[in-house]
Amino acid sequence: GENVEQHPSTLSVQEGDSAVIKCTYSDSASNYFPWYKQELGKGPQLIIDIRSNVGEKKDQRIAVTLNKTAKHFSLHITETQPEDSAVYFCAAYYDYKLSFGAGTTVTVRA
Amino acid sequence: DVKVTQSSRYLVKRTGEKVFLECVQDMDHENMFWYRQDPGLGLRLIYFSYDVKMKEKGDIPEGYSVSREKKERFSLILESASTNQTSMYLCASSGDTEPQHFGDGTRLSIL
Repeated sequence: GENVEQHPSTLSVQEGDSAVIKCTYSDSASNYFPWYKQELGKGPQLIIDIRSNVGEKKDQRIAVTLNKTAKHFSLHITETQPEDSAVYFCAAYYDYKLSFGAGTTVTVRA
Repeated sequence: DVKVTQSSRYLVKRTGEKVFLECVQDMDHENMFWYRQDPGLGLRLIYFSYDVKMKEKGDIPEGYSVSREKKERFSLILESASTNQTSMYLCASSGDTEPQHFGDGTRLSIL
């Protein structure tokens, strides 16, 4: 099955700086890559996603890039704010199923 | 907005008990999923269902079963609860071309 690796496991950034989270996947047939944000006491919420026919997608301060050849994708958060502190999960979709990375705990220092 | 509702936020049960976790979605989604979430392991798929009365095993189905009698409801069953099933359980639903939407989870403790 699909194997998704996510790095780093924890990330601490100064408010206003950028944060980057990287994921790799193993199955070249995976064709959809969502990113989820999970705040304390809540379920994961979709924040951005990208399909395999697109290399980059942006939504305000958040962007995702995909390199199909290398089988890796990344989440970029610019101008970080305290409300960006959360756990972030990447995922890869294939054959009706999502496989998730282990998560990155992001802390934005004021 | 899509709403996925899990019946309990916290649940404490004893080893050997039969445990039911309930999930309801209000968007007429075909697909529903049960995950467990453990620190450092991310979300792992237990079972999923792509239609009423249909079910498929995920990556870690051992010790669990599911039931989907109605489209909006998907139940996870622990036939005989064990302490290693203490975890956060997350339910999700999706349409065929949509991303998965999650409930807020049930934190289950087995004593």
